[in-house]
Amino acid sequence: GQNIDQPTEMTATEGAIVQINCTYQTSGFNGLFWYQQHAGEAPTFLSYNVLDGLEEKGRFSSFLSRSKGYSYLLLKELQMKDSASYLCAVRDAYSGAGSYQLTFGKGTKLSVIP
Amino acid sequence: DAMVIQNPRYQVTQFGKPVTLSCSQTLNHNVMYWYQQKSSQAPKLLFHYYDKDFNNEADTPDNFQSRRPNTSFCFLDIRSPGLGDTAMYLCATSRERQGKATQYFGPGTRLLVL
Repeated sequence: GQNIDQPTEMTATEGAIVQINCTYQTSGFNGLFWYQQHAGEAPTFLSYNVLDGLEEKGRFSSFLSRSKGYSYLLLKELQMKDSASYLCAVRDAYSGAGSYQLTFGKGTKLSVIP
Repeated sequence: DAMVIQNPRYQVTQFGKPVTLSCSQTLNHNVMYWYQQKSSQAPKLLFHYYDKDFNNEADTPDNFQSRRPNTSFCFLDIRSPGLGDTAMYLCATSRERQGKATQYFGPGTRLLVL
């Protein structure tokens, strides 16, 4: 089966650092994505990890440990506009015909307060 | 410029009245996906097209159908919407190749079934 766990909600202060954790148990693994989703809008791509380690992209970094089935998204220098849901998604099963599926977690709603 | 376009952005329909949602893309991606996302839940994959090959998820109701007349367009048809079909419907595209294949989402269609 597929199971992806993230905290439901988090609150952090503007200018601070926040870490959003994601653990997964899936039947296969072909990479892990983080998406940002503002209320009422579509998810937008933030990061991709397929090998263990840290990927840094500006204020956002993402870490992966495949042996632990664990990832985190690190947001630095938080801004009010970072208030959104953050979705962890695992690219798992091969669907045939060369395509793979994404299984999403329920998302972590981050509230940034002044 | 918008790369994945969905129309309409908002749709209200009556119980049992068929509705069609459309998605178009300018990315020339070979894979197109339809997701259903209910409030505070993860996006749930309904089906996807890899080129012209249709791949249905096992638990997608028969009430949901899809068409892809060409590379750029994909439609979601809900033949007899029920109240439980009220949700955001997200279209996504990707170009499958070795390594990552990031999915790019459209803005979504909010469907309300009365």
